Amino acid sequence: DSGVTQTPKHLITATGQRVTLRCSPRSGDLSVYWYQQSLDQGLQFLIQYYNGEERAKGNILERFSAQQFPDLHSELNLSSLELGDSALYFCASSVDLLAGSFTDTQYFGPGTRLTVL
Amino acid sequence: AQSVTQPDIHITVSEGASLELRCNYSYGATPYLFWYVQSPGQGLQLLLKYFSGDTLVQGIKGFEAEFKRSQSSFNLRKPSVHWSDAAEYFCAVGGRGSTLGRLYFGRGTQLTVWP
Repeated sequence: DSGVTQTPKHLITATGQRVTLRCSPRSGDLSVYWYQQSLDQGLQFLIQYYNGEERAKGNILERFSAQQFPDLHSELNLSSLELGDSALYFCASSVDLLAGSFTDTQYFGPGTRLTVL
Repeated sequence: AQSVTQPDIHITVSEGASLELRCNYSYGATPYLFWYVQSPGQGLQLLLKYFSGDTLVQGIKGFEAEFKRSQSSFNLRKPSVHWSDAAEYFCAVGGRGSTLGRLYFGRGTQLTVWP
């Protein structure tokens, strides 16, 4: 158990809908990362938040957005869903005590499996 | 740009046999390198990481990896595989500069262990 929790575990929805995925980082971790794992693209970095602020963006679609709240939990919002958005979405967290630290291990949650029908 | 190649999509070994999973990276500077393992229904667990120093890195569960700059490789090894090692293994390179903090993953190698 990494200490990172994600809810829900599974989500089934229809095209055009909007969903919210939730992540609670390990206690004390300031950085949260979101990754998407799909058969087509493999594991891809989406976005990173550090202590409530967006730090880095990867291949995140405009239909997707995220935020990190004062209690450091994070939500990933996916809207106007398409079939191709079906994937496993991982959240990871790291301590990142020094802004820009590269040595911190990222601890991954179990993921949320999204199925768009 | 950073990229990672894992040439073997699927590897099958017998329990007790040795294992080597290949990883090649593309990066212009000294890379930060990682191996993660993903068991069915689980998140990714870090096996080991390399930032600098000794090029032979020891990890958890008896795994080790060797960084070879001349070959741009970071292969994962285990001398004797256990049935519980069956899982998917991902090599990743850590971003630097403007991509600091993010991980770039290979496509993974699925390991099957025969009893």
